[in-house]
Amino acid sequence: GNSVTQMEGPVTLSEEAFLTINCTYTATGYPSLFWYVQYPGEGLQLLLKATKADDKGSNKGFEATYRKETTSFHLEKGSVQVSDSAVYFCALIMNTGNQFYFGTGTSLTVIP
Amino acid sequence: ETGVTQSPTHLIKTRGQQVTLRCSSQSGHNTVSWYQQALGQGPQFIFQYYREEENGRGNFPPRFSGLQFPNYSSELNVNALELDDSALYLCASGLSGGGGYTFGSGTRLTVV
Repeated sequence: GNSVTQMEGPVTLSEEAFLTINCTYTATGYPSLFWYVQYPGEGLQLLLKATKADDKGSNKGFEATYRKETTSFHLEKGSVQVSDSAVYFCALIMNTGNQFYFGTGTSLTVIP
Repeated sequence: ETGVTQSPTHLIKTRGQQVTLRCSSQSGHNTVSWYQQALGQGPQFIFQYYREEENGRGNFPPRFSGLQFPNYSSELNVNALELDDSALYLCASGLSGGGGYTFGSGTRLTVV
């Protein structure tokens, strides 16, 4: 079946530190991969996506590269800010499918 | 371009009652999906509607039902509420055949 596994949280970093949140997936076909962010009390916002192997998604200083050989889509940011504090979800959707499969989320807190 | 609007934002119900949640799709979108996000978990797919018909369903019992209207707005109905139904319910609209999905901010349902 299809599933997403992402690193357990919570993650606490100092401002300007480097961020990595690991995400691996299992899929029976060809998925598109996503990172969503959820701020407290809010819904999901699309952060970035990649639709095929070796694609790099990027937005607001965040990056993730679709690695088919390692079935991974790790999220990185070179210098985090306090405003990046949120829960981050890795997700996939099959290119012929209609539902997202989400990981359990990783809570990030950035302290000044 | 309007986004996805969900109502109400918060709701408290008693075990055994019935609830209806509403979603207005983003302009131009013709599919709507519903997800349940329990506290501390990733969203789980409930079902999707396309052309007013159910178009895929996750692992949820029949007491979870839905409707899609000709203007592509949607309702999620849950009968015989259980305590475990307490969650954030997210609606996502999109275009059939690909393209991105837009999530609403969700309805927080508490069953007491």
